[in-house]
Amino acid sequence: GQQLNQSPQSMFIQEGEDVSMNCTSSSIFNTWLWYKQDPGEGPVLLIALYKAGELTSNGRLTAQFGITRKDSFLNISASIPSDVGIYFCAGQKSTNAGKSTFGDGTTLTVKP
Amino acid sequence: ETGVTQSPTHLIKTRGQQVTLRCSSQSGHNTVSWYQQALGQGPQFIFQYYREEENGRGNFPPRFSGLQFPNYSSELNVNALELDDSALYLCASSPQGGDTEAFFGQGTRLTVV
Repeated sequence: GQQLNQSPQSMFIQEGEDVSMNCTSSSIFNTWLWYKQDPGEGPVLLIALYKAGELTSNGRLTAQFGITRKDSFLNISASIPSDVGIYFCAGQKSTNAGKSTFGDGTTLTVKP
Repeated sequence: ETGVTQSPTHLIKTRGQQVTLRCSSQSGHNTVSWYQQALGQGPQFIFQYYREEENGRGNFPPRFSGLQFPNYSSELNVNALELDDSALYLCASSPQGGDTEAFFGQGTRLTVV
């Protein structure tokens, strides 16, 4: 089936550093989403991207929808300890918000 | 808090048994999607319910079935449990057929022994 390759698998960074993670697919998606999941919780949507080439920011987070529609990246600037968690990319073929294909996540650890 | 509640939060079952998991969608949301999240992996789409009908299914066997009720709450039923069914089961609700953001519940952790 469809698969999203998310990298890196894990990151250990110092507080204040910038972070970059990306997601690639062999299939085209019409929507790209980035979620964060904390322990014991469900994923929470951070950023949604709906057009190829789109660059969208949410506070210290910036994400881009790749021009080929087969990739996306997420940047976090000036990381803080509460950024710790697992970040997932997800792609959608349609505009149906509930039907997403997820990557396997990037685990972020921030050292104070 | 997303307003999506799932019960129970944790469950232990024996291989071969059946289990029912429940999800109450956010007020005003008529679409519920279910996902299975194995340890160390991303969520995998099981199926979606819209206005009490199944509206799409992922690559899961028929022993995974569901229901949606008139109040839009939903159940996920799994028969003949296998060890590999051990996972976090997430439901996500969204409004108006799922064209906008989906909100996830905190999940039910199922352990099959």
